[in-house]
Amino acid sequence: EIVLTQSPATLSLSPGERATLSCRASQSISSQLAWYQQKPGQAPRLLIYDASNRATGIPARFSGSGSGTDFTLTISSLEPEDFAVFYCQQRSNWPVTFGQGTRLEIK
Amino acid sequence: EVRLLESGGGLVQPGGSLRLSCAASGFTFSTYAMAWVRQAPGKGLEWISSIGLSAGNTYYADSVKGRFTISRDNSKNTLYLQMNGLRAEDTAKYYCAKYLDGSGSKFDYWGQGTLVTVSS
Repeated sequence: EIVLTQSPATLSLSPGERATLSCRASQSISSQLAWYQQKPGQAPRLLIYDASNRATGIPARFSGSGSGTDFTLTISSLEPEDFAVFYCQQRSNWPVTFGQGTRLEIK
Repeated sequence: EVRLLESGGGLVQPGGSLRLSCAASGFTFSTYAMAWVRQAPGKGLEWISSIGLSAGNTYYADSVKGRFTISRDNSKNTLYLQMNGLRAEDTAKYYCAKYLDGSGSKFDYWGQGTLVTVSS
């Protein structure tokens, strides 16, 4: 099973700042990584797929990068609605696995 | 507009059974693989099962293999999850999710979830 380790566990930033979230895979997953945002009481929302492709309707301030084992989700300038929990997910190999999540909170 | 509406959750005793349903609309259901993902209270996301375009291609997490069965009825645009031998650790909100494309690697739409509570 591929383990995805996200860091940091919690990130405290202010609106307008840049957020950088990390996801590290226990073995190479090529570019088969997705990022999701989940707000309290809501279902997850797909942000980024195949490591760097923005999903439909996702603002350009969200970007993804990386390949192999190290991946990054960047939010260039935080908006108030961006604060949430973010998960990475892979399906390079079965089973599908998710990272444990990074909580992005308002400082 | 794509919509996924889960139902069938509730309170069940340990060892009991439940069948979850996910009614899909707004897309051609028969041409997309589907999955179930759960989230225990206050915890992260856990994939539990996927099904391909036909019932022949199914995949399960080890945590539910042999107890849960995923299925689909393309004539009814509905995804199912039959859960038997339920345990306290199965308590979670269960989401159905649609795969974005044929790669079977990412989920572009999720339902709002149905809560399953396993307790005596």
